[in-house]
Amino acid sequence: QVQLVQSGAEVEKPGASVRVSCEASGYTFTSYAIHWVRQAPGQGLEWMGWISGGNGNTKYSQKFEGRVTITRDTSATTVYMQLSSLTSEDTAVYYCAREFTVADLGSFDCWGQGTLVTVSS
Amino acid sequence: IQMTQSPPSLSASVGDRITISCRPSQSISNYLNWYQQKAGKAPKLLISAASSLQSGVPSRFSGRGSGTDFTLTISGLQPEDSATYYCQQTYSWGFGQGTKVEIE
Repeated sequence: QVQLVQSGAEVEKPGASVRVSCEASGYTFTSYAIHWVRQAPGQGLEWMGWISGGNGNTKYSQKFEGRVTITRDTSATTVYMQLSSLTSEDTAVYYCAREFTVADLGSFDCWGQGTLVTVSS
Repeated sequence: IQMTQSPPSLSASVGDRITISCRPSQSISNYLNWYQQKAGKAPKLLISAASSLQSGVPSRFSGRGSGTDFTLTISGLQPEDSATYYCQQTYSWGFGQGTKVEIE
């Protein structure tokens, strides 16, 4: 079955960077884009960016442009999200999600379990 | 595109019919999805393309709308429907603020 498995919780100091991984299985990795969404404690969902399935192109939310980098290793069917210059406001659960598209209409049909990133001195 | 969801929260009884509204700041045709998120869990896709119910999702959930006015309706609320519901536009992938549904 389609599955996205994320790496474990991280604790980082302000100013540091964090990298979260998302290993995909159960489908053809290069046929689907992967998105990253975060959720601060008690808050809503916030879209961060995505990497395409075919050629690995990326697009980021303006809010995170310059601080976030999404990459992939097709041989490992894994997508990575790196966020730099961390502050306490980056404390959140980070999710990866697969984009399923039919006739140009996309949705996130499968989600990882989430990775808690805590930024604290 | 800003997404305005209302109400922010609601409380209803088992069996009730509830409706959640989502209004994007500009027309998005039917490029809208609905998700359910239970406490401590990842979101789950309920409805795509404004009205297409996902496989396995109970038929008491329905979505409608287009352009700048969308609704999610739960007809016959069940205890397991206690969750936060989010709309999402797929022009730039942003989400609404969420609606927390509690069962009385």
